Amino acid sequence: DAKTTQPNSMESNEEEPVHLPCNHSTISGTDYIHWYRQLPSQGPEYVIHGLTSNVNNRMASLAIAEDRKSSTLILHRATLRDAAVYYCILRAGYGGHSGAGSYQLTFGKGTKLSVIP
Amino acid sequence: DADVTQTPRNRITKTGKRIMLECSQTKGHDRMYWYRQDPGLGLRLIYYSFDVKDINKGEISDGYSVSRQAQAKFSLSLESAIPNQTALYFCATSETQALVEETQYFGPGTRLLVL
Repeated sequence: DAKTTQPNSMESNEEEPVHLPCNHSTISGTDYIHWYRQLPSQGPEYVIHGLTSNVNNRMASLAIAEDRKSSTLILHRATLRDAAVYYCILRAGYGGHSGAGSYQLTFGKGTKLSVIP
Repeated sequence: DADVTQTPRNRITKTGKRIMLECSQTKGHDRMYWYRQDPGLGLRLIYYSFDVKDINKGEISDGYSVSRQAQAKFSLSLESAIPNQTALYFCATSETQALVEETQYFGPGTRLLVL
């Protein structure tokens, strides 16, 4: 499976934008880039995903480099509730039953985001 | 009410005991998953099920078994618990849609301690 590299931790001040980077230099053409986050004492929560184009939703924005070897999750105004571990995950695209590798989410260690009041 | 629920939320058991962790979902999703999370290792897939009659082993299935009693229920059993199965266990669901990338929805987790 293609791997991702994220910083272990980051800090942000409350109400400021946060840019969480992820490197995935071995990404394949059909891999989707997913971001999940895990708040303390909770299960992981889907944030956003994309393939080639930048994506926006109510939670965040995802900026994908033109060569797709890196991406950045953008939280436009960090709140205390955004303090969590953020995971950048590559997942083989939809379609076909080709074993667990296509369907599991391979979580690395993620980036622990701290938000300072 | 939560869409994905897990029971129990916390469990302490002894080595050699058989225990069952249960997962229920009201999302109507066809796919369900069991993961475990150990400190510093992220989540790893134990078993997954695409429907009631389709169950598959994940990355770390040894020592575990599962049962998909209905579309909404997926249980994980430890036949003979051992201390290195102490971990946080998560159930997740997803929905199959043609030409749509799947996202997974996780339960709150079960914290298991095996003494």
